[in-house]
Amino acid sequence: AQSVTQLDSQVPVFEEAPVELRCNYSSSVSVYLFWYVQYPNQGLQLLLKYLSGSTLVKGINGFEAEFNKSQTSFHLRKPSVHISDTAEYFCAVSDQKTSYDKVIFGPGTSLSVIP
Amino acid sequence: DAGVIQSPRHEVTEMGQEVTLRCKPISGHDYLFWYRQTMMRGLELLIYFNNNVPIDDSGMPEDRFSAKMPNASFSTLKIQPSEPRDSAVYFCASSPRGTGRGEAFFGQGTRLTVV
Repeated sequence: AQSVTQLDSQVPVFEEAPVELRCNYSSSVSVYLFWYVQYPNQGLQLLLKYLSGSTLVKGINGFEAEFNKSQTSFHLRKPSVHISDTAEYFCAVSDQKTSYDKVIFGPGTSLSVIP
Repeated sequence: DAGVIQSPRHEVTEMGQEVTLRCKPISGHDYLFWYRQTMMRGLELLIYFNNNVPIDDSGMPEDRFSAKMPNASFSTLKIQPSEPRDSAVYFCASSPRGTGRGEAFFGQGTRLTVV
């Protein structure tokens, strides 16, 4: 079964600095990959997704992620963060062949942007 | 569209009481998911429906939990009897083609406190 690892439970970063949130998934032949963001007291919303094609995926709010099949990773990056990016970020994966109805969510990374 | 609507937003109940959480998915979405979020266990998938039919309820913690979807525009999650360890935020999400391939649209959640 698929599993998702987010190595950093908390990431503090200063405003306007770059940030990378790491995500690794268990090995599989074909996967779909997602990043979701959860702002305080709200539900999750989709930041970006990788289904096929270019391994560099751009999402909303200036975020991007790169799919690396050999390293089974899908790290999220932003070149310059804002205070409003303070939130919980979840990586999610689905197996294209066996579980395409649903995703498996990682444990989440709490991003704190420091003024 | 108003998005996924959950009610109530907050629920405080005494141990042993029955609790019913409600969800109205986005019109036209064929999939509906119930999740539970806690600090200890993160985001857990409890059950999901496709075209009002329960597909996978393996995440339902025990027989005290039940979920129904009597029609395409309404679903309930019931806990009877409730216990303090059920305290969590419960999310409902809907999706047009399953979250494994597409976006999940989350409601704002119901914060349940069992005392």
